Amino acid sequence: KAGVTQTPRYLIKTRGQQVTLSCSPISGHRSVSWYQQTPGQGLQFLFEYFSETQRNKGNFPGRFSGRQFSNSRSEMNVSTLELGDSALYLCASSSGRTGKTEASFGQGTRLTVV
Amino acid sequence: DAKTTQPPSMDCAEGRAANLPCNHSTISGNEYVYWYRQIHSQGPQYIIHGLKNNETNEMASLIITEDRKSSTLIQPHATLRDTAVYYCIVRVANSGGSNYKLTFGKGTLLTVNP
Repeated sequence: KAGVTQTPRYLIKTRGQQVTLSCSPISGHRSVSWYQQTPGQGLQFLFEYFSETQRNKGNFPGRFSGRQFSNSRSEMNVSTLELGDSALYLCASSSGRTGKTEASFGQGTRLTVV
Repeated sequence: DAKTTQPPSMDCAEGRAANLPCNHSTISGNEYVYWYRQIHSQGPQYIIHGLKNNETNEMASLIITEDRKSSTLIQPHATLRDTAVYYCIVRVANSGGSNYKLTFGKGTLLTVNP
């Protein structure tokens, strides 16, 4: 079956702009999580959605937001972009079923802020 | 989630077994040990997880000490394609679709040499 799909794969934005990234989870998966990866900070958890509700949030400013739709697809938005937001943004989905707690990751969206 | 300690890097000869250690001395009774790996510029990939018994799947074997304070991931017959950063993560394996947050450390860069 198809894996986690993230679009776009690459993105270049200017400081001050806003950006929306998309994630389509594996069919049947109801949990979607977002992570930011930078060389300095490594992989950091942004937030997690389950059944359209945000259940957990990492330590990021309010400029980072997300949502999940009824079909489990998720989007994350970053407003007022800063140079430090340049990173690989990864989305992961999980089934939510008992005992099936491993996450499947997408290939990520590489965001460059100039 | 409990903290883990991994060596920053390891080398392995192609065709030999790669044994990756992880220390998790503060692990709680309900926390599992998960292993993921990340090949350069790709999303992390789930490898295996376990609670207290040794586990094996098509990708690797996981050996957890009896006191559960450390574990070893074994990649038998390593190939050049196994060169990646390997992350050991300790977390509660929730059921019913609750919290799926993963806390990544710096991991171990395994380099498989020809």
